Amino acid sequence: KQEVTQIPAALSVPEGENLVLNCSFTDSAIYNLQWFRQDPGKGLTSLLLIQSSQREQTSGRLNASLDKSSGRSTLYIAASQPGDSATYLCAVEYNFNKFYFGSGTKLNVKP
Amino acid sequence: GAVVSQHPSWVICKSGTSVKIECRSLDFQATTMFWYRQFPKQSLMLMATSNEGSKATYEQGVEKDKFLINHASLTLSTLTVTSAHPEDSSFYICSGRKGEVRKNIQYFGAGTRLSVL
Repeated sequence: KQEVTQIPAALSVPEGENLVLNCSFTDSAIYNLQWFRQDPGKGLTSLLLIQSSQREQTSGRLNASLDKSSGRSTLYIAASQPGDSATYLCAVEYNFNKFYFGSGTKLNVKP
Repeated sequence: GAVVSQHPSWVICKSGTSVKIECRSLDFQATTMFWYRQFPKQSLMLMATSNEGSKATYEQGVEKDKFLINHASLTLSTLTVTSAHPEDSSFYICSGRKGEVRKNIQYFGAGTRLSVL
């Protein structure tokens, strides 16, 4: 059974701090991995997509890495801002169309 | 960017009634749409995959007769929760896939919070 785990479940940091969110998955035979942001009462916004052949992707202050052999991905957020406060979800695609989501990391960036 | 509109955003209904949730892709054609359910403090769980013009494919443990999915056009999919019960109270999110299959970019709606009394 494919499982996706995110640690920590919640994180509170002061503004300006760099931080790392972790995602681990049990089966390394993935197609791709995506990081999403979910704001309260809103849908998901895709942040970064890493295909199975890639090791990392970058977008602005965000950097996501993928290590299939160890079943891990990290999302690095540089110079965090209060607007980054949200729940961050990691989703792994194993089979065609099937995403398995982690339970998320709730991030609070304090001004 | 691609926009997926979901309606309603919040619905309260009495036990035993049916509720319909709409999912529309506003500026792209979604040949495949997905329905997810999210219980409090839990992961999103895929309920079913629907392809335009064909029957939906349900995940194991999801009752197809209870959660009716219709994907009548390339821009509209509906989920009907029939004879809803309090245990069906959850956050339901749809998504539409745009682009190449292997890239599998899914665009998500804002979700519908269902509360069954």
